[in-house]
Amino acid sequence: AQTIHQWPVAEIKAVGSPLSLGCTIKGKSSPNLYWYWQATGGTLQQLFYSITVGQVESVVQLNLSASRPKDDQFILSTEKLLLSHSGFYLCAWSLDLQDTQYFGPGTRLLVL
Amino acid sequence: SQLAEENSWALSVHEGESVTVNCSYKTSITALQWYRQKSGKGPAQLILIRSNEREKRNGRLRATLDTSSQSSSLSITATRCEDTAVYFCATEGTGANTGKLTFGHGTILRVHP
Repeated sequence: AQTIHQWPVAEIKAVGSPLSLGCTIKGKSSPNLYWYWQATGGTLQQLFYSITVGQVESVVQLNLSASRPKDDQFILSTEKLLLSHSGFYLCAWSLDLQDTQYFGPGTRLLVL
Repeated sequence: SQLAEENSWALSVHEGESVTVNCSYKTSITALQWYRQKSGKGPAQLILIRSNEREKRNGRLRATLDTSSQSSSLSITATRCEDTAVYFCATEGTGANTGKLTFGHGTILRVHP
């Protein structure tokens, strides 16, 4: 069975500090991977998606970047956090782009 | 632009009752998905209905899709307290929007004992 793991579970960071969030998928080779952001009480906004290692497509620019260094790993990062980056970050995977997406448990980020 | 939108912000029912969440969208889609998100968790897909399908069922859940009116509904019968969650519809785009899943604002459903 496939499992999706996100780290850290939660983070409190200062404005202007760097950030790195991680996501790994086990039990599935060559998955499509996605990053989403969700403001408290808000909807999910897709940020990035990746079809293969080393390739990332940006959907929404929020002063964030993403990388896929390995087949089973997706990283979301920024060098300088903004207050508006606070929220819930979710990683997801799917077999194909137009297919069911399976979400991870999420990382809660608070920027002060 | 492609937009998915649930028509109600919040619904409240008692256990055992039925409830329907509606969704409307703009532009053409390849499929529409219904997700449920419980507090503090990631969303979980309930039903995926493709643009050439009109209805899909999953246990107590029934989704419909009307591409002519660009609308969808999710009905839950015999509701339970554990159905309390936020329900999102999400549309998959075509062409340049392939790979992009657009979520609606969500409908909060509360099921009371």
